[in-house]
Amino acid sequence: DTGVSQNPRHKITKRGQNVTFRCDPISEHNRLYWYRQTLGQGPEFLTYFQNEAQLEKSRLLSDRFSAERPKGSFSTLEIQRTEQGDSAMYLCASSTSGDISYEQYFGPGTRLTVT
Amino acid sequence: GQNIDQPTEMTATEGAIVQINCTYQTSGFNGLFWYQQHAGEAPTFLSYNVLDGLEEKGRFSSFLSRSKGYSYLLLKELQMKDSASYLCAAPGNTGFQKLVFGTGTRLLVSP
Repeated sequence: DTGVSQNPRHKITKRGQNVTFRCDPISEHNRLYWYRQTLGQGPEFLTYFQNEAQLEKSRLLSDRFSAERPKGSFSTLEIQRTEQGDSAMYLCASSTSGDISYEQYFGPGTRLTVT
Repeated sequence: GQNIDQPTEMTATEGAIVQINCTYQTSGFNGLFWYQQHAGEAPTFLSYNVLDGLEEKGRFSSFLSRSKGYSYLLLKELQMKDSASYLCAAPGNTGFQKLVFGTGTRLLVSP
């Protein structure tokens, strides 16, 4: 396994369009996280899945954002009616549920630019 | 809630030692993480401290004082490739599920 993968790596879209990002976690990891990072800031938590269940959502995740992990493997993050403020790097991370192996492994991110 | 503070930027010279500080305020404590992030790349795990004291891993060491709400990352024998952002993070107060990150400290290593 080569780690967490994300597609696409870059996305440029016009304001008002919908976009969808995909994350493929490390295969044996049952926890999956989405974060958003803007320039000069640390990642901010968006949402978390354990297997297929979405267990936590940040208040940052407005009703224009939706995330799914239908079979407990890959996940998608959709943003509807994009706004310029949505421009950011969207990071996916995965981890196992054991305490000792809590380390989150991050993917390379999808950089979204809304024009 | 969680609040994490770290300096925005630091500079150092190749071969030197640098200490990056992090102070945190958390409701409950479940350890402290350090991640390294090169520009345009994903964060990568450096260390996790849950007990007080210093943990050494090669050129990198991390220190924790729970009573003071303080941690630092110590980088020895700096190399140019150490130029990156260093992120201090703590698990959120709902458990281990999410990480709350500081803004990151951008370290510039010069020749």
